[in-house]
Amino acid sequence: EAGVAQSPRYKIIEKRQSVAFWCNPISGHATLYWYQQILGQGPKLLIQFQNNGVVDDSQLPKDRFSAERLKGVDSTLKIQPAKLEDSAVYLCASSLDVAAGSEQYFGPGTRLTVT
Amino acid sequence: QKEVEQNSGPLSVPEGAIASLNCTYSDRGSQSFFWYRQYSGKSPELIMFIYSNGDKEDGRFTAQLNKASQYVSLLIRDSQPSDSATYLCAVPLYNQGGKLIFGQGTELSVKP
Repeated sequence: EAGVAQSPRYKIIEKRQSVAFWCNPISGHATLYWYQQILGQGPKLLIQFQNNGVVDDSQLPKDRFSAERLKGVDSTLKIQPAKLEDSAVYLCASSLDVAAGSEQYFGPGTRLTVT
Repeated sequence: QKEVEQNSGPLSVPEGAIASLNCTYSDRGSQSFFWYRQYSGKSPELIMFIYSNGDKEDGRFTAQLNKASQYVSLLIRDSQPSDSATYLCAVPLYNQGGKLIFGQGTELSVKP
């Protein structure tokens, strides 16, 4: 079974530039999550999709971050414009469903450096 | 008070010893609890989950849950250098669609 795929793996941009990350979840997984992990901290949920609908985006900085999952499969996360404090690893995860006990599988992450 | 708290460490133990990792949480309604392991530069991977009060054992790993005290722990017996990683405690918030709240992680170093 293929795991969660993410690209790119690394990205370096200057502040005020824009960037986009892509995620392909495990086949059949209805729920998709985007997390931000700053060095030395645990992952923080940015947005959660159930199929192509948003379940939770309460911690997404909507003035600069946006995410979509148009066909209920792949997802993109965009930052525009980027700030220095956006430097982090962006992790995508998926699970079979949205139940609280449903195991989440993580992709390899995208390491973003904003200079 | 943070929703999920862990000692950040680093926790250093000799090879063969028992490593004890602790986690407290604030949401009394939480029903399930997860331990993820994260190697440096890698993504988190699930190693244990527990739903019921008491102990759950899986190989060298034992998860312990005390809902009354809002406390969950992970014991690693016969620690190996390959166990050196950051261990993340994660708790789904009650009635919030499986939203996982992670602790800041405890860095474990097992010395040969």
